[in-house]
Amino acid sequence: NAGVTQTPKFRVLKTGQSMTLLCAQDMNHEYMYWYRQDPGMGLRLIHYSVGEGTTAKGEVPDGYNVSRLKKQNFLLGLESAAPSQTSVYFCASSPTGRVPDTQYFGPGTRLTVL
Amino acid sequence: QQQVKQSPQSLIVQKGGISIINCAYENTAFDYFPWYQQFPGKGPALLIAIRPDVSEKKEGRFTISFNKSAKQFSLHIMDSQPGDSATYFCAARESTSYDKVIFGPGTSLSVIP
Repeated sequence: NAGVTQTPKFRVLKTGQSMTLLCAQDMNHEYMYWYRQDPGMGLRLIHYSVGEGTTAKGEVPDGYNVSRLKKQNFLLGLESAAPSQTSVYFCASSPTGRVPDTQYFGPGTRLTVL
Repeated sequence: QQQVKQSPQSLIVQKGGISIINCAYENTAFDYFPWYQQFPGKGPALLIAIRPDVSEKKEGRFTISFNKSAKQFSLHIMDSQPGDSATYFCAARESTSYDKVIFGPGTSLSVIP
């Protein structure tokens, strides 16, 4: 039982390049989330999904797209990377979205955009 | 209205001492307050959580105190250990709003021997 895994762990991009971050969970959770973590700002929600085939915008969705074609996977895409997207990205999942469900976080992807 | 404020930004405590981290919120619709612990290079993990219908919740050495009227809550770590050195995030959410958990900016705790 691996929990929540993220690929890759590190990535360096040049401005304008594109990439996809992969999140996978083996806990059969319905809800999945993408956050970004920046120094002094905590975690901010980018996009989330309440089930296979559904996605919705979070607090800071601009410049990102997501897809959830399979229940266990949640992909985060950057179509044209910008230096402002340099951050650590965390994926999380939870059984449902209801309290007191716990969000289980992956280990993170550190992205640098030059 | 959506912000969660957290202090201090960093904290150094001697082994065996008490670590105290404070948080405050404005949105009175928030009704669930989790705390997360994050070790370097790892994702956050739920540590302890509280609802505003109780003033205190204790789990082992970790205690949350909640003051609903002041809209403040705090984490106390008793008998702090070097293994507690991590970043701690308070958070707040509306239990009916499944899509949003508002995190504080975090407190970096170092427990020195």
